[in-house]
Amino acid sequence: DGGITQSPKYLFRKEGQNVTLSCEQNLNHDAMYWYRQDPGQGLRLIYYSQIVNDFQKGDIAEGYSVSREKKESFPLTVTSAQKNPTAFYLCATQDSYVANEQFFGPGTRLTVL
Amino acid sequence: SQELEQSPQSLIVQEGKNLTINCTSSKTLYGLYWYKQKYGEGLIFLMMLQKGGEEKSHEKITAKLDEKKQQSSLHITASQPSHAGIYLCGADRRGNQFYFGTGTSLTVIP
Repeated sequence: DGGITQSPKYLFRKEGQNVTLSCEQNLNHDAMYWYRQDPGQGLRLIYYSQIVNDFQKGDIAEGYSVSREKKESFPLTVTSAQKNPTAFYLCATQDSYVANEQFFGPGTRLTVL
Repeated sequence: SQELEQSPQSLIVQEGKNLTINCTSSKTLYGLYWYKQKYGEGLIFLMMLQKGGEEKSHEKITAKLDEKKQQSSLHITASQPSHAGIYLCGADRRGNQFYFGTGTSLTVIP
């Protein structure tokens, strides 16, 4: 069963706590991405990684951190420094870096209480 | 400002009606992608356009990229409730990342 899994589907966090969102893929894709989606703002890129042990900041990286220790996994940590973390988070993968579509996971909805 | 502008932001149509969603860029597009998203779910890839003047169809959905490669349209013929959702256009940022429009929310009334 190939694809991208994100867990959990819903996540609740108290203000001031760090939380890690999981993204796992078995598509053997090199590139992985994290996006944040807010109503009326489309998708905004947080971090991306083209190869293992390497990642780059996207447009809104402040308050987030990532790691890419394995090709299959690209976890995103939302730290307490993120001012407004309540959002829908989407993980995506891409087979090659040029002219190929991205494949998306089902998303994680994070709510900070 | 958004690099990809979508219009309209939202659309409500009666079942059976045709509709068009537009995606406009101020820069030349090297690859334009259309996705559909059901509320609270991930994005599903619909079509990719690369060449100026290119047109692709899948079932009742047709996407076109203009000759200048700065505007794309998504046309749905005889809309059905199953077409409801958010439609997003996305593009390759040459040598860099992927970016998306703000999305168009489509509601189809039975």
